[in-house]
Amino acid sequence: DSGVTQTPKHLITATGQRVTLRCSPRSGDLSVYWYQQSLDQGLQFLIQYYNGEERAKGNILERFSAQQFPDLHSELNLSSLELGDSALYFCASSATTGYNEQFFGPGTRLTVL
Amino acid sequence: KNQVEQSPQSLIILEGKNCTLQCNYTVSPFSNLRWYKQDTGRGPVSLTIMTFSENTKSNGRYTATLDADTKQSSLHITASQLSDSASYICVVGSGYSTLTFGKGTMLLVSP
Repeated sequence: DSGVTQTPKHLITATGQRVTLRCSPRSGDLSVYWYQQSLDQGLQFLIQYYNGEERAKGNILERFSAQQFPDLHSELNLSSLELGDSALYFCASSATTGYNEQFFGPGTRLTVL
Repeated sequence: KNQVEQSPQSLIILEGKNCTLQCNYTVSPFSNLRWYKQDTGRGPVSLTIMTFSENTKSNGRYTATLDADTKQSSLHITASQLSDSASYICVVGSGYSTLTFGKGTMLLVSP
């Protein structure tokens, strides 16, 4: 158990809908990262937050957004969902940023029908 | 464009045997190289992290090597166990916190 929690574990929704994925980092970790893993792709970095502020952005679509709250939990919002958004979404946390080891949560499996 | 290529794509070995997984990268500027183990449907777990100045690092039966000149890394697994069956992902860090992931090598250890 990495200490990172993600909810929900599974999510099934329809195209055009909006969903919110939630992540609680390990106790004491200030950085939260979001990743997408599709069936035929490796892990793709989406976005990083550090102590409530956006720190780095990867291949995140404009339909996706995220935020980190004062209690350091984070939410990833996915809107106008398309079939291709079906994937595993992982959250990871680290103590600070940069070189620090990242600890991954169990993931949320999103299925868009 | 930063890229990480891993080989082989998949591998089957007998329990107790050794194996080596390869990783080639074109990432700039290079910061660090990580190997993760990912069981099916679960989050990746870090095995090793190496910086530019380190050329080998061990974690139990796992030994990673790094050649920053040729931009290659390998992960050697000794005396494989059934529980080693997983995807092994090479990840290269650049800049401040950007990570580029390889697609992984799927390892199956057969009894």
